[in-house]
Amino acid sequence: DAGVIQSPRHEVTEMGQEVTLRCKPISGHNSLFWYRQTMMRGLELLIYFNNNVPIDDSGMPEDRFSAKMPNASFSTLKIQPSEPRDSAVYFCASSLGGQMNTEAFFGQGTRLTVV
Amino acid sequence: GDSVTQMEGPVTLSEEAFLTINCTYTATGYPSLFWYVQYPGEGLQLLLKATKADDKGSNKGFEATYRKETTSFHLEKGSVQVSDSAVYFCALKEGAQKLVFGQGTRLTINP
Repeated sequence: DAGVIQSPRHEVTEMGQEVTLRCKPISGHNSLFWYRQTMMRGLELLIYFNNNVPIDDSGMPEDRFSAKMPNASFSTLKIQPSEPRDSAVYFCASSLGGQMNTEAFFGQGTRLTVV
Repeated sequence: GDSVTQMEGPVTLSEEAFLTINCTYTATGYPSLFWYVQYPGEGLQLLLKATKADDKGSNKGFEATYRKETTSFHLEKGSVQVSDSAVYFCALKEGAQKLVFGQGTRLTINP
């Protein structure tokens, strides 16, 4: 398996533009997580899905952020409009949900810079 | 709610030194515990895990023992290498819930 695949790896955009980050989880995994990592705040869980259904989106910073999982093999995280403070590395991770002892597998991340 | 507290970094050691990174947790039940490592420019990868009290997880010379009585899962390595320089995250998972991460500890090993 290729692991969790994220695209793009790097994104530079201007303030006010819409940004869409993409994630393909590992085949067979039914839980998917979006994290944001910054120097100031560390690793923050934004939202997670079980069986394509959002379970906990309490970490989504504000209405400018939205996430979807239309099927088991694809998820998007959208920021509209983007702001410089959204600059961070965004990670997607997947795991076999429903199992306490299973780990999450992370993608390589998307480094977002909003100028 | 569940939480994980890690030893604050950054930690700087010389090659072949002994490493300990402390991790304690708070949970309502009996979670599984994990250590993840993040090398520069990469995502997190699982280093080791333990799923019940007194279990010892080990990998690449690193070890951690699940201590229920002290709610701890300290990471240790007897002799570190320059290639161990990375950020280390302690995490827990309770039931079918999400992983809860500590804040991470940056480790730098000097030759």
